[in-house]
Amino acid sequence: GDSVTQTEGLVTLTKGLPVMLNCTYQTTYSPFLFWYVQHLNEAPKLLLKSSTDNKRTEHQGFYATLHKSSSSFHLQKSSVQLSDSALYFCALSDGTNTGKLTFGDGTVLTVKP
Amino acid sequence: EAAVTQSPRSKVAVTGGKVTLSCHQTNNHDYMYWYRQDTGHGLRLIHYSYVADSTEKGDIPDGYKASRPSQENFSLILELASLSQTAVYFCASSHWGSSAETLYFGSGTRLTVL
Repeated sequence: GDSVTQTEGLVTLTKGLPVMLNCTYQTTYSPFLFWYVQHLNEAPKLLLKSSTDNKRTEHQGFYATLHKSSSSFHLQKSSVQLSDSALYFCALSDGTNTGKLTFGDGTVLTVKP
Repeated sequence: EAAVTQSPRSKVAVTGGKVTLSCHQTNNHDYMYWYRQDTGHGLRLIHYSYVADSTEKGDIPDGYKASRPSQENFSLILELASLSQTAVYFCASSHWGSSAETLYFGSGTRLTVL
């Protein structure tokens, strides 16, 4: 079945530094990948999504590029802010047109002053 | 923006008791979902529905029932709550069920089974 792997459980950075959160996936369908962000005590919200190979997608300073050759969709930002501290989920659509998603375990990003 | 509200925000239940978690959306979405979140793990799909009066099993349906009495409302029912069902539960909705659809989540219900 489908799977999503996020290798870092916890990332701690100082404000202003770049970040990359890893996401790799396995699927037999044509992949549609998502990044959701969940701030403390809030609902998860969509950050960005893509199904286009080798095209950079950007939103709110974050960006990701789907690479089908390496089955990856890493999330990056050039300069993290304190407000970026949150739980980040990578998710994969199952291709059955039911909206069902397979989520990775999530990465907690903590940004320090 | 889509609005999905869950109730209660938190609940403590006893083992063997019945628990009902409620979800209401106001954006005329066809699809609704129940996900479970355990500490250190991602969200896992329990049940979903694409039309009123019909529900479908997700990836981990055992021990849970779902009910969709109307397009706006979707409930998750634990007939006999167990310790292993302690988790945070999220309801979500989407307009259609296509692969590109954005899910809109509620704020979650923290369930503790003692």
